[in-house]
Amino acid sequence: AQSVTQPDIHITVSEGASLELRCNYSYGATPYLFWYVQSPGQGLQLLLKYFSGDTLVQGIKGFEAEFKRSQSSFNLRKPSVHWSDAAEYFCAVSTGGFKTIFGAGTRLFVKA
Amino acid sequence: GAGVSQTPSNKVTEKGKYVELRCDPISGHTALYWYRQSLGQGPEFLIYFQGTGAADDSGLPNDRFFAVRPEGSVSTLKIQRTERGDSAVYLCASSSLAGGPTDTQYFGPGTRLTVL
Repeated sequence: AQSVTQPDIHITVSEGASLELRCNYSYGATPYLFWYVQSPGQGLQLLLKYFSGDTLVQGIKGFEAEFKRSQSSFNLRKPSVHWSDAAEYFCAVSTGGFKTIFGAGTRLFVKA
Repeated sequence: GAGVSQTPSNKVTEKGKYVELRCDPISGHTALYWYRQSLGQGPEFLIYFQGTGAADDSGLPNDRFFAVRPEGSVSTLKIQRTERGDSAVYLCASSSLAGGPTDTQYFGPGTRLTVL
């Protein structure tokens, strides 16, 4: 069965520091991969998605993610974190159908 | 235009009662999804509609859960004989195209259901 693992329940970074959130998936073929952000009081918002082609994808708010097939990973990165980036981040996978499977999330705390 | 809206924003009910949760998708979106998000977890897929029909309801946990979309726009998630374990945030999302995995899903703010 398909699954998504986000190993870090929470991460704290200093404002201005770089960020990497980890995501590993389990699926036999090339999946469709997503990162979403959920802020308090806000709905889930798509940051970026990967389907094929260039394995480094750019998203909104300065985020990027890299698909590494050999590691079954799709880690999210940002070179310089802003206080407004504090939120819950979800990695998700879709296997070609309509069902999207989400990871348990990583909560990002940003310290001044 | 307006985003996905869900009503009510909060619902408190007693064990054994029946509840209905409503989702208004973005106008013109043909695909509609329901998810359940328990505390500390990611959203869990429940059901997907393409137009009026449920194309995939494999995520509904049991026969107490049912969803409809009679006119291809508004959808209602219905839960019978609620249990305390049904307490969660129920999220709705919609997308504009064929509903394949390449479509961007736009999420509503959710309905927080509490079963006492």
